[in-house]
Amino acid sequence: AQSVAQPEDQVNVAEGNPLTVKCTYSVSGNPYLFWYVQYPNRGLQFLLKYITGDNLVKGSYGFEAEFNKSQTSFHLKKPSAIVSDSALYFCAVRDIRNFNKFYFGSGTKLNVKP
Amino acid sequence: DTAVSQTPKYLVTQMGNDKSIKCEQNLGHDTMYWYKQDSKKFLKIMFSYNNKELIINETVPNRFSPKSPDKAHLNLHINSLELGDSAVYFCASSQTVSPSYEQYFGPGTRLTVT
Repeated sequence: AQSVAQPEDQVNVAEGNPLTVKCTYSVSGNPYLFWYVQYPNRGLQFLLKYITGDNLVKGSYGFEAEFNKSQTSFHLKKPSAIVSDSALYFCAVRDIRNFNKFYFGSGTKLNVKP
Repeated sequence: DTAVSQTPKYLVTQMGNDKSIKCEQNLGHDTMYWYKQDSKKFLKIMFSYNNKELIINETVPNRFSPKSPDKAHLNLHINSLELGDSAVYFCASSQTVSPSYEQYFGPGTRLTVT
């Protein structure tokens, strides 16, 4: 079965420091991986994706993610956090056998303190 | 123009009532979804339609009935509302074939059953 796991319910980081939000996946075959951000009272917004190619993918708002096949991870990173990055972040994987099905992680709340 | 729109944004109703939520996407996508986000922010797939055909029907009570009049619209009708139905419901859309593999989400409908 396809799945993703976000081991941290919450991540706290000081403004200006680098941030990492962790995601591990379990899929058969090559994964299609995504990160989404949800601000309070809003829908999910697409940040970035890994389909194929370079293991380091860059996305919106200065975020990037590193695909690591050996560790089955797709961690979200940003070199310098800002207060407005505070939000709920979801990792997701697309089912390659049922291409219209997505599996979402449980979400990680990122708190960036001034 | 809003890519994925939902109406209403808020819905407060009493137990036993019947209500509908509407969703429209103007992205030309062939697949639409309904998700339920509970109070712990966990995101659960409910239904998915591809070109007006139901392709995903997770374990959802029969009181929930989706309808897709065309591939740009997906509505959700809920009969005999219960307290446990209180949640935020998100509509989303995606394209089965590349180049855009990610989902796009609507702003959500916050349903409160009293």
